[in-house]
Amino acid sequence: SQTIHQWPATLVQPVGSPLSLECTVEGTSNPNLYWYRQAAGRGLQLLFYSVGIGQISSEVPQNLSASRPQDRQFILSSKKLLLSDSGFYLCAWSSGLVDREQFFGPGTRLTVL
Amino acid sequence: GENVEQHPSTLSVQEGDSAVIKCTYSDSASNYFPWYKQELGKRPQLIIDIRSNVGEKKDQRIAVTLNKTAKHFSLHITETQPEDSAVYFCAANNAGNMLTFGGGTRLMVKP
Repeated sequence: SQTIHQWPATLVQPVGSPLSLECTVEGTSNPNLYWYRQAAGRGLQLLFYSVGIGQISSEVPQNLSASRPQDRQFILSSKKLLLSDSGFYLCAWSSGLVDREQFFGPGTRLTVL
Repeated sequence: GENVEQHPSTLSVQEGDSAVIKCTYSDSASNYFPWYKQELGKRPQLIIDIRSNVGEKKDQRIAVTLNKTAKHFSLHITETQPEDSAVYFCAANNAGNMLTFGGGTRLMVKP
């Protein structure tokens, strides 16, 4: 069966510091991968998605970036965090087939102080 | 691109009553409509989905209806229980394997 991991689970970082969040998927190959951000009490904002290694599409211009160095690894990064980057970051995967559900990871709760 | 509107944003019901959450979408090419439940501090989890070749789907106390002509779909929860309290998100697919999510509905079931 497929599983999706995210780490760290929680993170407290000062403004201006760098960020690296990691997501890995097991039990499937060639997944589509997604990064979402969820501000407190709000909906899901798609940040990046990837259909293959090295292929990244950005939905929202900001100071974040994403990379996919391996088939089942997706990384979210920032060189300098802003206060507004605080939130719950969710990684998700789906199969390469159309009209299929997305499965979410456990999330990383990021607080920028 | 796709736009998904979800109503209401909050819903309070008495235990045992029914709850209905409604969503509209804009892209007539959308053909997949999942519903997710997110408990406090947890990840969203799929509870039911429907594809455009059917108008209704039921799974125990939850059901989803789809009206492709009107471009709206709804989640129905019957005999609500306190454990149904959560935030519910609807979504519709668009180009490729993207999902556009509604803004969410916070459901509170009062015992």
